[in-house]
Amino acid sequence: EAQVTQNPRYLITVTGKKLTVTCSQNMNHEYMSWYRQDPGLGLRQIYYSMNVEVTDKGDVPEGYKVSRKEKRNFPLILESPSPNQTSLYFCASSSPGDRTDTQYFGPGTRLTVL
Amino acid sequence: AQSVTQPDIHITVSEGASLELRCNYSYGATPYLFWYVQSPGQGLQLLLKYFSGDTLVQGIKGFEAEFKRSQSSFNLRKPSVHWSDAAEYFCAVALSGTYKYIFGTGTRLKVLA
Repeated sequence: EAQVTQNPRYLITVTGKKLTVTCSQNMNHEYMSWYRQDPGLGLRQIYYSMNVEVTDKGDVPEGYKVSRKEKRNFPLILESPSPNQTSLYFCASSSPGDRTDTQYFGPGTRLTVL
Repeated sequence: AQSVTQPDIHITVSEGASLELRCNYSYGATPYLFWYVQSPGQGLQLLLKYFSGDTLVQGIKGFEAEFKRSQSSFNLRKPSVHWSDAAEYFCAVALSGTYKYIFGTGTRLKVLA
C-alpha cells in the first residue's frame, strides 16, 4: 500500500532534549516536506527537499533541522526543543518533484514539549 | 508577501444544502492552487487542484472549484452536502519557481442532520 509513515505518532518530551521524528514514503517520490499545524494558523511549511541531499527552508525553519540521505526518508530533528514547538507535525511527499502534483500526507505526529 | 486567506473559520450547513468555501490568495504570478480536506484525527487529502486550462475544476467526492483571476479567488463548492463532508478544509498555493507551499488557516465545516 502506497503510504507516508511517521514515527512516533505521539511524543511528550521536555525542553532541551533532542528528538527526531521520522518520515518514510514507499512511493519513490522525489519531493518531501515537513509542516506544522497550529490552531488558527493552518499548516506552515518547515523544510522541504527536492531530492536526495537537496533541502531548503520553508516559512518556519527556526529550531528545526532536516536531512535527506535516502530518497525514502526525511527525518525532522529538533536539537533543543522548546514549548513553542508543541504542535501537530505532518510529513508529505509527491512525485516527480512537480509542485503541481498531489502531495500525500502522513498521519501526523503530535508533539508536546514541556 | 504571498498569502492565502480563508475568511470563514467555521461554517454550518444542513445535510443536502449547497456549500461554498471561500479562498482568496495574494500572489503576483499565476498560482498553482489546491484544496485539501482533513477529517478529524487524519492527515490531509487532496480534493482538487488547478494550475492551467479550464478555470472550473472537478475533484473527488463531488467537489468543484472555480479559479477567478480577476478576484484572486479559488472557491470550493458542492451542490449537496453529506454528513460525511464534516471536516476541515484548507486552500493552498504553490509558488512558481520554488517548491514552497502556503496554506490558508482552514475552514471547519459542520453538517447538521
